[in-house]
Amino acid sequence: QKEVEQNSGPLSVPEGAIASLNCTYSDRGSQSFFWYRQYSGKSPELIMFIYSNGDKEDGRFTAQLNKASQYVSLLIRDSQPSDSATYLCAVNRATDKLIFGTGTRLQVFP
Amino acid sequence: EADIYQTPRYLVIGTGKKITLECSQTMGHDKMYWYQQDPGMELHLIHYSYGVNSTEKGDLSSESTVSRIRTEHFPLTLESARPSHTSQYLCASSRTGSAYGYTFGSGTRLTVV
Repeated sequence: QKEVEQNSGPLSVPEGAIASLNCTYSDRGSQSFFWYRQYSGKSPELIMFIYSNGDKEDGRFTAQLNKASQYVSLLIRDSQPSDSATYLCAVNRATDKLIFGTGTRLQVFP
Repeated sequence: EADIYQTPRYLVIGTGKKITLECSQTMGHDKMYWYQQDPGMELHLIHYSYGVNSTEKGDLSSESTVSRIRTEHFPLTLESARPSHTSQYLCASSRTGSAYGYTFGSGTRLTVV
C-alpha cells in the first residue's frame, strides 16, 4: 500500500461543475497536507494547504481534511477548462519530507 | 513568481558526456530536493539536502550525485549520461518545518541520445 493514494483518473467534469479530488494517506502522524496542480510539461504549483480538521477555502478551491478517516480532498467549484491538469496530493510527516501521491488527472470539458 | 531557478531548461546531449544541472534559490530555504519525473508519471525523489554540506539519497536509486556547498545552490551531476537518464528533473526547496510545502523550479528536460 502506498503512503499516499490517489485515483489516477481521468476525472472528467463539465465546465461549471464541481470537481472533487480525493486522497488517502496511511501515516496517522501526518501533520500537514498540500495540493499541487501540474499542467502537462510544467512543474507542480502549490495551490492549497491544510493542517486542521475541517474545511479551508480559497477562491474556487476548498480543501477538506478528516484526520480520523485519514482523508483529504480538494473541491474545485465552477470548474473551467483551464483547471484541466494533474492534481497532486502531498503529505508532510514529522520528517519534513513531503510524500507525494501519483496524482489525479482532471479534464474539464466545455 | 517562483524564486527558484533551474538551468538549462532543455538539454540534448550525447551518451557518455558529463552534465551538471543547475538549481539556485533566493528564498534562503534550508532544504532542497531533486525529483525525477517521466511524462505522465509520478514524482520520484532522487536527492535531498537539509543544509550546507548535508546531502542524502532519495527513494529512487540514481546514478547522479549532488553537492550543497552554498545554501542557495544545489547542482546535480551525471558523470556519464546514458539514454536511460532521459527524463525531466525538478528541483524544489522549502523552509524547515512540517507546515511548509515545496516551491518547484521550472525543471530541466534532459534527452540523452
